[in-house]
Amino acid sequence: SQQGEEDPQALSIQEGENATMNCSYKTSINNLQWYRQNSGRGLVHLILIRSNEREKHSGRLRVTLDTSKKSSSLLITASRAADTASYFCATPYNQGGKLIFGQGTELSVKP
Amino acid sequence: GAGVSQSPSNKVTEKGKDVELRCDPISGHTALYWYRQSLGQGLEFLIYFQGNSAPDKSGLPSDRFSAERTGGSVSTLTIQRTQQEDSAVYLCASSSFPGGDSGNTIYFGEGSWLTVV
Repeated sequence: SQQGEEDPQALSIQEGENATMNCSYKTSINNLQWYRQNSGRGLVHLILIRSNEREKHSGRLRVTLDTSKKSSSLLITASRAADTASYFCATPYNQGGKLIFGQGTELSVKP
Repeated sequence: GAGVSQSPSNKVTEKGKDVELRCDPISGHTALYWYRQSLGQGLEFLIYFQGNSAPDKSGLPSDRFSAERTGGSVSTLTIQRTQQEDSAVYLCASSSFPGGDSGNTIYFGEGSWLTVV
């Protein structure tokens, strides 16, 4: 069953603009992770936020988590063309070891 | 090894043939995952191996799909009597036990692209 769902499905912005992607999930979680996938490649871990955290930063990335709404957002500030990729949120299924991924947001940053 | 290694990187097979996809996880990682990704789609969970526990096979789409993990290391995903709808990228990932719930990062291989013609 689908655990995480991202929106928008696709996002196109100009270089320098900020990009915001959202993720909603269904069950209680201990943590939520964001991954990035360049076209045709494996996924790369970006950032993890735990359920007792509301916001976390890593470089140009800012992640928020609202457990009451079962949602998270990923903000990329001052975007670059190299940020063009698909971004996925992932959550543990039923607080177990299995990670379930959303459908992803395809981000296109135009120079 | 330095990262998760998958082979073959590309495989074209005829409908009805069996295929085997191999995954060599990061040394010492006890959790191993297989996912499937169709073109332009999200990741579909297939199977999860966790240490010596029985694998979670809940994502395998049919009995044509099976996977094993020998000696707690290398894993093989086997698809019997392949169909055209099996065409996808098959991604393997590994992490330190117990994986997702503890917040351990999972590390992905580059995937095996399967095309069934």
